[in-house]
Amino acid sequence: EIVLTQSPATLSLSPGERATLSCRASQSLSDSLAWYQQKPGQPPRLLIHGTSNRPTGVPARFSGSGSGADFTLTISSLEPEDFALYFCQHHSNWPRRYTFGQGTKLEI
Amino acid sequence: QVQLVQSGAEIKKSGSSVTVSCKTSGGTRSNVINWVRQAPGQGLEWMGGIIPMFGTANYGQKVQGRVTITADESATTVYMTLSSLKPEDTAVYYCAGDWDLTYWGQGTLVAVSS
Repeated sequence: EIVLTQSPATLSLSPGERATLSCRASQSLSDSLAWYQQKPGQPPRLLIHGTSNRPTGVPARFSGSGSGADFTLTISSLEPEDFALYFCQHHSNWPRRYTFGQGTKLEI
Repeated sequence: QVQLVQSGAEIKKSGSSVTVSCKTSGGTRSNVINWVRQAPGQGLEWMGGIIPMFGTANYGQKVQGRVTITADESATTVYMTLSSLKPEDTAVYYCAGDWDLTYWGQGTLVAVSS
C-alpha cells in the first residue's frame, strides 16, 4: 500500500510570499497525483489533478509538479484566502483506490 | 453543473448502523461517486466508490466488511451504509463525484456514542 507523506506539517508565511508544499510517496507513482484545499467547515476543493493540471476556475498561482515519488504544490504569491489545509492524493487505477497524505496547514 | 446533496447529521449508538445518502444532479450517472470521511481534526480517508449506472462498488481496506455502497434504480442517489459502528467512526462523511474527486457534497456529521 502506498503511503503519502506531506511536509511540512505546518507552513507559516505571509501574503505575497511563495509557498512550496511537498508530498513524498513510499514508492514511485504514475502521474496520478492530485492536490486539494480545505477550509474550516467546508469540503475539500480539487486544485490539481494528474500532477500538474488545473481544473477550470482554479487560479493560475497554483501549480503542481513532480515525478517518481516526489511531488510539489506551489502557490506563487499567497493571497489571504489561500491560508488553509492542503492534502495530496494518489489513486491506483484498477481497482480504483485512493490514498491521501496527512495534510499541510498553511497559516499566516 | 454537478451538485451533490447529502442527508443530515446522525447520532448513533455503538454497534448500530448508519446510512447516509448523496443525491446527485447534473450528469453523474455514468461517473463514479466516492465516499470519503474525516474524523475531527484529522485527515481524509477514502471508504469506497460506486458507478451508479452499473451498481458495482469497491471498498477501502480499513472499512471493508462494514461498509456497503449502493445506488437507487434511477442512479441519482447513492447510499453509504456503515455497520457495527464504533466511537472512532465519528466523522464527517463526504460523497465526492468524478474520478478526480472533483465534486463534493456538503458533508454529513455522524457521531457515535458508546
